[in-house]
Order: sequence, then C-alpha cells, then structure tokens
Amino acid sequence: AQSVSQHNHHVILSEAASLELGCNYSYGGTVNLFWYVQYPGQHLQLLLKYFSGDPLVKGIKGFEAEFIKSKFSFNLRKPSVQWSDTAEYFCAVRSGANNLFFGTGTRLTVIP
Amino acid sequence: DAGVIQSPRHEVTEMGQEVTLRCKPISGHDYLFWYRQTMMRGLELLIYFNNNVPIDDSGMPEDRFSAKMPNASFSTLKIQPSEPRDSAVYFCASSFPLAGDYNEQFFGPGTRLTVL
Repeated sequence: AQSVSQHNHHVILSEAASLELGCNYSYGGTVNLFWYVQYPGQHLQLLLKYFSGDPLVKGIKGFEAEFIKSKFSFNLRKPSVQWSDTAEYFCAVRSGANNLFFGTGTRLTVIP
Repeated sequence: DAGVIQSPRHEVTEMGQEVTLRCKPISGHDYLFWYRQTMMRGLELLIYFNNNVPIDDSGMPEDRFSAKMPNASFSTLKIQPSEPRDSAVYFCASSFPLAGDYNEQFFGPGTRLTVL
C-alpha cells in the first residue's frame, strides 16, 4: 500500500531561519509529488509540484523541493522563513489513479 | 471563477441526526474529491468522482456515509446517522487532467462538522 510519511509534526523556527520539511513515500513506480500549504483558517493551496524533469522544483513564495528518487524523498525547503509562513504543510503523492495520498502534515510556527 | 464552494462552513448537530454537506466544483473540472481532515488521521480521501461517476469509494468509513454527484456542478456527502467520531473538517476538491498530464486539485474552504 502507498504511504506518505512526514516525520516532523511540529516545527518552530525564528524568522530568517532556514526550513527543511521531510517527506518520504513508499511506491516503486512513477509518481507525481506535491506540497500543499494550509494557512490558519484557510483551505489547502498548492505550493509546488513535480511531474518529471529537473528534480529541483521551484514553487511560490520562495519555496522549493527536491525529488530524490533513490531515497523516495521530496523534502520542502526555504532559505529564510517569514512569520507569514506559519501554516500546516502537506506532502502528497499521486501514482496510477487520479487520487492523492497525503501525509499527516507538519505544522510550522515562525516566531517573529 | 469563485473556486470550489462548500456549504455549510460550519455544522453543529447532535448524535443520530442526518448531516448533508454540499460542494460545487470549479466549472469545467470533471474530477471531484471528498476528503476528511482530523488531528489523529490527517487528510484522508473518502471518495472521488469522474464525470459524475464514483470511481473509488474505498475511503468511505462505513455505510453511514454516502456521496452523490447528480450533475457536473453539484455533489453531496451525507452522514446518517451521525456520530461524535465523525467530527472533522470535510474538504471538497476538484481538478481536470491537462492533455494527459495531471493537474493540481483545487480545494474548497471546508465544512467544520461537530457532532455532539
């Protein structure tokens, strides 16, 4: 069965700190990978996605993620976080059928 | 476009009552998804439709849950009878495939359900 693991449940950073959120998945075939963000009280929005090509993907708001196939990972990064990045971040994987498997999410709190 | 529309935004009901959640997908999207979000289990796919037809309902927790999509612009998720453990935020999302590629899912604002 497919699964998506986000090992960091809650991350607390000060503004300007660098961010890396882990995401690992279990599936051996071709995958599409996504990071969604959910700001407090809002719905999920797409941050970035990987389908093929360059494994380093740039998203909105300065976020990027790197697909490492050998490690089954798709970690999210940002060099310098802002208070407005406080949100919950979800990694998702799609393979085969047209549905997504989501991780349990990582809550990011950025302290001004 | 107004995006995915869900109603109601909040619902408080008593155990045993019937609850109906509604979703209007983005016009032109032919995939519609229902998710449930809880602290314990995160975001779970309940069911999804393609062209109004249910494709995969393996995530529906039990027979108390049912979903319909009578036309391309409307879907309902019904819980009858409701139980306190059904308390969660229910999201609807829609998408359409682009030329063989897979497009992102656009999420609605969610319905926060509380069953007392």
